Amino acid sequence: DTAVSQTPKYLVTQMGNDKSIKCEQNLGHDTMYWYKQDSKKFLKIMFSYNNKELIINETVPNRFSPKSPDKAHLNLHINSLELGDSAVYFCASSQDPNTQETQYFGPGTRLLVL
Amino acid sequence: QQQVKQSPQSLIVQKGGISIINCAYENTAFDYFPWYQQFPGKGPALLIAIRPDVSEKKEGRFTISFNKSAKQFSLHIMDSQPGDSATYFCAATTNNAGNMLTFGGGTRLMVKP
Repeated sequence: DTAVSQTPKYLVTQMGNDKSIKCEQNLGHDTMYWYKQDSKKFLKIMFSYNNKELIINETVPNRFSPKSPDKAHLNLHINSLELGDSAVYFCASSQDPNTQETQYFGPGTRLLVL
Repeated sequence: QQQVKQSPQSLIVQKGGISIINCAYENTAFDYFPWYQQFPGKGPALLIAIRPDVSEKKEGRFTISFNKSAKQFSLHIMDSQPGDSATYFCAATTNNAGNMLTFGGGTRLMVKP
């Protein structure tokens, strides 16, 4: 069974569109994250949620809105997509945000904005 | 401002050789230093991690060396194998940062047969 899954795997869309990426974890973890990996492979955290509550927001444009319907899911909605949003987006999860637990990453969603 | 600097960006090693990747950090509040391994098309996966109260940690062929005074740490891969070819990321976090990882820029390792 996949521990952290993301859909879709690939997403190609036009500038200005709105799109969503879904993430689910079956590890029973309390904390979920979104990371962005750019074309140079640089990984940067975007958001972190613990038990459906936002705990980290790393100065991400407000076009990006995470939503956590329950602690097993953290979706990412992006409004008015821009060329610079093209990247690989990774979801991750860990047990407890207050300890330095291993983060388990999903397979990534490759977003290309044309 | 890149808080964790990683070098080299790319590394080619012969099979059986030693791969060495270096990282330096600025924030003295960092107190947990994991290394993640990422294969093409996959998400990063934890490889090995160290806390600054020890100077070295070894797991199989992988060793982290840590120099707290220099604010540097490195990953050594002994007897490198073609299956080790991947991108390696060092990272750092503090105890009160919500487990937020700050990653280095990554090192693309290729091990030639």
